[in-house]
Amino acid sequence: QKEVEQDPGPLSVPEGAIVSLNCTYSNSAFQYFMWYRQYSRKGPELLMYTYSSGNKEDGRFTAQVDKSSKYISLFIRDSQPSDSATYLCAMSAGQGSGTYKYIFGTGTRLKVLA
Amino acid sequence: GAGVSQSPSNKVTEKGKDVELRCDPISGHTALYWYRQSLGQGLEFLIYFQGNSAPDKSGLPSDRFSAERTGGSVSTLTIQRTQQEDSAVYLCASSLVMSAGGDNEQFFGPGTRLTVL
Repeated sequence: QKEVEQDPGPLSVPEGAIVSLNCTYSNSAFQYFMWYRQYSRKGPELLMYTYSSGNKEDGRFTAQVDKSSKYISLFIRDSQPSDSATYLCAMSAGQGSGTYKYIFGTGTRLKVLA
Repeated sequence: GAGVSQSPSNKVTEKGKDVELRCDPISGHTALYWYRQSLGQGLEFLIYFQGNSAPDKSGLPSDRFSAERTGGSVSTLTIQRTQQEDSAVYLCASSLVMSAGGDNEQFFGPGTRLTVL
């Protein structure tokens, strides 16, 4: 079993829809949770990050972390065709674990149809 | 340059040959990371550098893989005796300092697409 599981999709939605992207994880030591967006043939770019449990909102994007369920989500409101990309979750245990490495999900490919 | 650059952008090699992949981080970034991205596998951590030191090499798949960083800047990932399963996109990222959270953003380069025939 992978430490981080993410549905690869593809996920197709109409423009304006609310998109929900999710990851589950098994390592209870993870404290930092990130969402990256990756366009085709490009490197990933950071969208949002949260520390520990809770919600964080930034414009049309909301990140949620539920550490009790080991489940994180990214919501995209009023989705646009320009949101079409692969979305990767990433997690890290932090300095106390002795390493700074990120563990990434496989990514979910999202297509927003005009 | 303004961002992380990687070279070459594409590399096709024959099985058994050695390859070198280069990463130029953002100027002033002390931390540098290498990842591998294969179809359906997501980003796989390989190694990171703090300055010229590599505290965590646990992600390197085999002893055919090595990496170095000189002058706290450019890094080279070397794969010896390449195998077909080494075919992937190799991504490099850099961050201002070494820390775990997203408040210390890792900026990614465009990657090197390696194909081993």
